[in-house]
Amino acid sequence: TQLLEQSPQFLSIQEGENLTVYCNSSSVFSSLQWYRQEPGEGPVLLVTVVTGGEVKKLKRLTFQFGDARKDSSLHITAAQPGDTGLYLCAGTGTYKYIFGTGTRLKVLA
Amino acid sequence: DTGVSQDPRHKITKRGQNVTFRCDPISEHNRLYWYRQTLGQGPEFLTYFQNEAQLEKSRLLSDRFSAERPKGSFSTLEIQRTEQGDSAMYLCASSRVTSGANVLTFGAGSRLTVL
Repeated sequence: TQLLEQSPQFLSIQEGENLTVYCNSSSVFSSLQWYRQEPGEGPVLLVTVVTGGEVKKLKRLTFQFGDARKDSSLHITAAQPGDTGLYLCAGTGTYKYIFGTGTRLKVLA
Repeated sequence: DTGVSQDPRHKITKRGQNVTFRCDPISEHNRLYWYRQTLGQGPEFLTYFQNEAQLEKSRLLSDRFSAERPKGSFSTLEIQRTEQGDSAMYLCASSRVTSGANVLTFGAGSRLTVL
């Protein structure tokens, strides 16, 4: 069974701080995606990484795919209250997405 | 295109009753997925359709659960004889395979509360 473990599970920080969320697995994925989900809504895609070692930047968010395609990280610089939400990583093989356990982020003004 | 639509958004039912959720995917998407999500956790895969064919069902999907996608368009997820443990958010997502990665678009979900 493929599992994706995220850490930390919960994170509460002050506005302006930096943070990193980790997504780890013992399985290799052909691609990995990061989503953000707000209460009462479905997850919304932030980024897809496909190549081992790939780094993608989306404004203040930096995503990295591990060289072995088993792990990923999300780094947020200068967090803002609007970044608050549930962050989910999801690994995919041919068609099925396996979601991580989630990281709930709260950014305090 | 209005994205993935799910109906109803909320359903409160008594234990033992049957419930049905509907998902209307993005029209040109041939893949449709159902996931279940409990509070603060990541979505758990339930089942997957490619066009009208149901290609995989999770072991989480007991005999009380059934999903259909007639004509490869909308899909329904029915839960019979609901139990309190069925209380969760049921998420539908659709995708279209392109030369790049298979990107999921989620609906807003149907929240089920079983009393």
